Amino acid sequence: DQQVKQNSPSLSVQEGRISILNCDYTNSMFDYFLWYKKYPAEGPTFLISISSIKDKNEDGRFTVFLNKSAKHLSLHIVPSQPGDSAVYFCAASRAEGNKLVFGAGTILRVKS
Amino acid sequence: GAGVSQSPSNKVTEKGKDVELRCDPISGHTALYWYRQRLGQGLEFLIYFQGNSAPDKSGLPSDRFSAERTGGSVSTLTIQRTQQEDSAVYLCASSFSAGSLFFGSGTQLSVL
Repeated sequence: DQQVKQNSPSLSVQEGRISILNCDYTNSMFDYFLWYKKYPAEGPTFLISISSIKDKNEDGRFTVFLNKSAKHLSLHIVPSQPGDSAVYFCAASRAEGNKLVFGAGTILRVKS
Repeated sequence: GAGVSQSPSNKVTEKGKDVELRCDPISGHTALYWYRQRLGQGLEFLIYFQGNSAPDKSGLPSDRFSAERTGGSVSTLTIQRTQQEDSAVYLCASSFSAGSLFFGSGTQLSVL
């Protein structure tokens, strides 16, 4: 049972444009959500998070939106840069600091 | 070191052999996690240690898998009688009690 789903295995975007990565979850007990970025042969690195009391969190070029009623979150990257090309994982937990449940990941390719 | 360290980085073993994977978390981090990533799939939770509490072993796929954390620091993941389906990247992560996970680079396990 996949509790966190990233339905797009890959996404290709032109440099300078917006990248939108989507994530859906099924467990209504999740209240803390994160995005991780992974380069080949490296471990995932934390990118941005949001708690369920918010619907938006912004950090530089990265913004995460949370729609609790739809159990959906998205990561917006604008403007996209070639260095953003990586695998992006969505993750959720029942509380901050609790174990994370990850999605399958979306490969983002930013073309220059 | 400054980050989470895992060893070995690569391990090739024969089916039926036992393997031990090591994780040195960031100093001071009370929580330690093991995940694995099979080819083309997301991060699968295995086990979670938090301080002196009993570990959450709910993700271990079979009784061939075990993990321990000595002195609240270094952790070892042991896989007995390895099978080909155990081939994956095994990722260790650590965090403060409530905070984002910091991942190591992983151990690539190949079972022939």
